[in-house]
Amino acid sequence: AQKVTQAQTEISVVEKEDVTLDCVYETRDTTYYLFWYKQPPSGELVFLIRRNSFDEQNEISGRYSWNFQKSTSSFNFTITASQVVDSAVYFCALSDRVDKIIFGKGTRLHILP
Amino acid sequence: GAVVSQHPSRVICKSGTSVKIECRSLDFQATTMFWYRQFPKQSLMLMATSNEGSKATYEQGVEKDKFLINHASLTLSTLTVTSAHPEDSSFYICSARTGQGASREQYFGPGTRLTVT
Repeated sequence: AQKVTQAQTEISVVEKEDVTLDCVYETRDTTYYLFWYKQPPSGELVFLIRRNSFDEQNEISGRYSWNFQKSTSSFNFTITASQVVDSAVYFCALSDRVDKIIFGKGTRLHILP
Repeated sequence: GAVVSQHPSRVICKSGTSVKIECRSLDFQATTMFWYRQFPKQSLMLMATSNEGSKATYEQGVEKDKFLINHASLTLSTLTVTSAHPEDSSFYICSARTGQGASREQYFGPGTRLTVT
């Protein structure tokens, strides 16, 4: 069975600090996709990244970076120099074929001014 | 990029009534659409998968007679909550899938907040 664990329920950091959101997944599939989504208070899901299981390269996009390690089944997300606008709930998710997406419970991130 | 809309964005209905939520893919055809439910401060849970022209596939524990899903065209899927009760109050999010094979992508709608009084 597929499972996504986000152990951090809620995190608070002061603006400009770096913060890492952890994600650990379980799957028996050899081909799978991992995602991160941001959900601001408005509720709309904002797609951040999709990574397939064959691409372990880390990715950087502006202040965001992702560390994918198959050896530990982790797909962690780091925000560098956090800003108040980064405050939101962040979901890590897993899918086998971009079909049924299994979401983690989410991490609520508070960036304090 | 691909856009998925939902209507209405918010709805309040009385207990016992039915409410319909629409999910549309605006600039692409979606053979498959998904319906998720999110209770306050919880994660998104897949309710059902709908394929155009066929019956929806419901996840375990989701009552198919209560949550009627119709996917009559390649750009529209509807979710009808029948005989709504306060415990059905939730945030309902749809997504639409496009593409083939490894290029398949799934796009989410903005969600519909249902309040049953």
